[in-house]
Amino acid sequence: GAGVSQSPRYKVTKRGQDVALRCDPISGHVSLYWYRQALGQGPEFLTYFNYEAQQDKSGLPNDRFSAERPEGSISTLTIQRTEQRDSAMYRCASSQGGSGGDTQYFGPGTRLTVL
Amino acid sequence: GNSVTQMEGPVTLSEEAFLTINCTYTATGYPSLFWYVQYPGEGLQLLLKATKADDKGSNKGFEATYRKETTSFHLEKGSVQVSDSAVYFCALSVGGYNKLIFGAGTRLAVHP
Repeated sequence: GAGVSQSPRYKVTKRGQDVALRCDPISGHVSLYWYRQALGQGPEFLTYFNYEAQQDKSGLPNDRFSAERPEGSISTLTIQRTEQRDSAMYRCASSQGGSGGDTQYFGPGTRLTVL
Repeated sequence: GNSVTQMEGPVTLSEEAFLTINCTYTATGYPSLFWYVQYPGEGLQLLLKATKADDKGSNKGFEATYRKETTSFHLEKGSVQVSDSAVYFCALSVGGYNKLIFGAGTRLAVHP
C-alpha cells in the first residue's frame, strides 16, 4: 500500500520567504510526527499530532515554525520568514497508534535550502 | 534527560565480516529501543526494535538485545553484504507516546 508521502521533495527559497511543507500519512494512522535532520546528524523531534490535536510542539525551534493537521490526516509544517539556519531535511512520520513501541513509518523527506 | 550515543563512523568492512555498531542510551523510565536504517537515496526504515529489557529484535540477519543493566542496544550481524552499506540510527522512545530520540548515525561501508 501507499506509504507516507511528502511534498515538495526539494524546496529552494530565499531568506525571508515563507514555506509550507506537506505530509500525507498512511491512511488510518492516528499519530503524525515531524522531525528535522541536519546533515550528518540524526533526526530531531519537532512536533506530534494525535488525530488533529497537536499534543506536543516542544521541539519547534521558535515561533516562526508552526504545524497543523486540521482534519486528522494531511499535515502542513509552515516556516515563516525563513533563515539560512532553517536549511535541513524535514521528515514526517506516521504510526497506527501513539503508544511507545509503535513503529513509525517515515516519508522520503523535504530537502529545504534557504539562500 | 533522554539521549542516545552511537559509535562514530564510518565503519568500513569487507563482505562477510562481522558487524557491531555500539549504541548506549540514557533515559528516564523504561524506553523502547529501535534501529533505523537509511539506504543511499532513500528514507528512514525501521530495521528492528525491542520494547522491554532482555528482548531481542531481529530482521534481515541483524540482531540487537535490550540490555537494561548496561543501558545498551548494540547492533550485530554475522556476515555483512555490500547491500548493507547504509547509515544506521539507534533511537529510543519513552513516555506516553512515541516521540523518537535519535543518535547521530553510523555510516557503514561494505566492500567486496
